[in-house]
Amino acid sequence: EADIYQTPRYLVIGTGKKITLECSQTMGHDKMYWYQQDPGMELHLIHYSYGVNSTEKGDLSSESTVSRIRTEHFPLTLESARPSHTSQYLCASSRGSNEQFFGPGTRLTVL
Amino acid sequence: KNQVEQSPQSLIILEGKNCTLQCNYTVSPFSNLRWYKQDTGRGPVSLTIMTFSENTKSNGRYTATLDADTKQSSLHITASQLSDSASYICVVSDRGSTLGRLYFGRGTQLTVWP
Repeated sequence: EADIYQTPRYLVIGTGKKITLECSQTMGHDKMYWYQQDPGMELHLIHYSYGVNSTEKGDLSSESTVSRIRTEHFPLTLESARPSHTSQYLCASSRGSNEQFFGPGTRLTVL
Repeated sequence: KNQVEQSPQSLIILEGKNCTLQCNYTVSPFSNLRWYKQDTGRGPVSLTIMTFSENTKSNGRYTATLDADTKQSSLHITASQLSDSASYICVVSDRGSTLGRLYFGRGTQLTVWP
C-alpha cells in the first residue's frame, strides 16, 4: 500500500469558508499532483509540482492554490469555498514519470 | 485530441463469473497503459502496466491485453469475487512531456453479486 495520506477524508463546510486539504507522502517522490473527480467522471488534473518551490496549474481550471515548501507536503487551499467546489479531491505522487500513487481522497461538500 | 474511452459504463455479474472490460484510446505519442482499481471512496490503485511492446500482462485473476496497432486494451477478470466490486479505470500515459501526462477514462463500474 502506498504511503500517501490525505486529511481530512470528509469535509462539510459552509459557503465562503477558507479550507486547506492536506496531502503528505513518505516515499521521497519528487512529483506531486492534485486531481478533482466528480461521481462517474474521469479524474482531472488541477495542480502539479515537479519539486520543492515548483507548482503548476493543470488542465482543469481551479480556483484553488497549492504550495510545495517541503518535498513530502503538498497542501491545497480554497480561499472561499462555493457549492461548485463540491467534489472528491485526490492527491498523488510519483518518482519522475513513473507510476503515480494515489491517496485515499478528500470528499468535500460545500453547502 | 487525446482521449480514453471505456466500455461498458457499468456491469453487473454473479460471483464466480468472468468478465472483460474494454478501453480504446487516441493518445499519441503512446508511452504506457495502466489499469487501476478504485474502490468507492478510495484512491485508484494500479493493477497492471503495459508498454508498447507488451501484449499481455497478468496480476493474479486480472489479465490485461494491449493492441497498440488498434489502440485497444482489455481487462479480463477471472472467477470474480465480491471484493472485485469497484470502478476500473484505464489510464494512458504519453511520452511527449517530462510530466508523463496521464489521460483517464471514466471507468467501468463493476458490481459482483453473490
